[in-house]
Amino acid sequence: DAGVIQSPRHEVTEMGQEVTLRCKPISGHNSLFWYRQTMMRGLELLIYFNNNVPIDDSGMPEDRFSAKMPNASFSTLKIQPSEPRDSAVYFCASSFPRTGGNEQYFGPGTRLTVT
Amino acid sequence: GQQVMQIPQYQHVQEGEDFTTYCNSSTTLSNIQWYKQRPGGHPVFLIQLVKSGEVKKQKRLTFQFGEAKKNSSLHITATQTTDVGTYFCAASGSKLTFGKGITLSVRP
Repeated sequence: DAGVIQSPRHEVTEMGQEVTLRCKPISGHNSLFWYRQTMMRGLELLIYFNNNVPIDDSGMPEDRFSAKMPNASFSTLKIQPSEPRDSAVYFCASSFPRTGGNEQYFGPGTRLTVT
Repeated sequence: GQQVMQIPQYQHVQEGEDFTTYCNSSTTLSNIQWYKQRPGGHPVFLIQLVKSGEVKKQKRLTFQFGEAKKNSSLHITATQTTDVGTYFCAASGSKLTFGKGITLSVRP
């Protein structure tokens, strides 16, 4: 079985450009999470979806960040315009919450560098 | 919301030594999860603890949930170089709240 798929794996862009990160969750999982990881701030939850509906976006830094989940097998995280402080590794994770477990399965991440 | 603390953030051990790290919360947790992230990799789920005082083992790793469900420990017996990485605990609810993690390095 394929795990969580993220693309691109690496992205280098200039300040002010739009960046779109993509995620395909594990088939059958109905919860999807976007995280950002930096040395300074650790692993931060940005937003999560249940059944394609955004539930909690309190971690989204500001209006420059937006996320969508148009269907159960695809989600995007967009940064517009990007800034150097957005440089980080962005992880997507999915899970199938049930009695007895709601462990999350992480994708390989997208390493974003904004110059 | 629930918060979990992991201190220290870094620990260095000699290969073969035992290693123990703790995860603490000021509130009672419904359950707790542990993840491992290898250098350059992504977090990988290790275990979930649900019951008060629960102990689970995975080969050389032993996980324990405190009696009051406010803390958890991870113990590695006879560390190996393959154990290097960052170990995160996470308080489990509708979403996970991750601790800062402890990065373990092992001297061969």
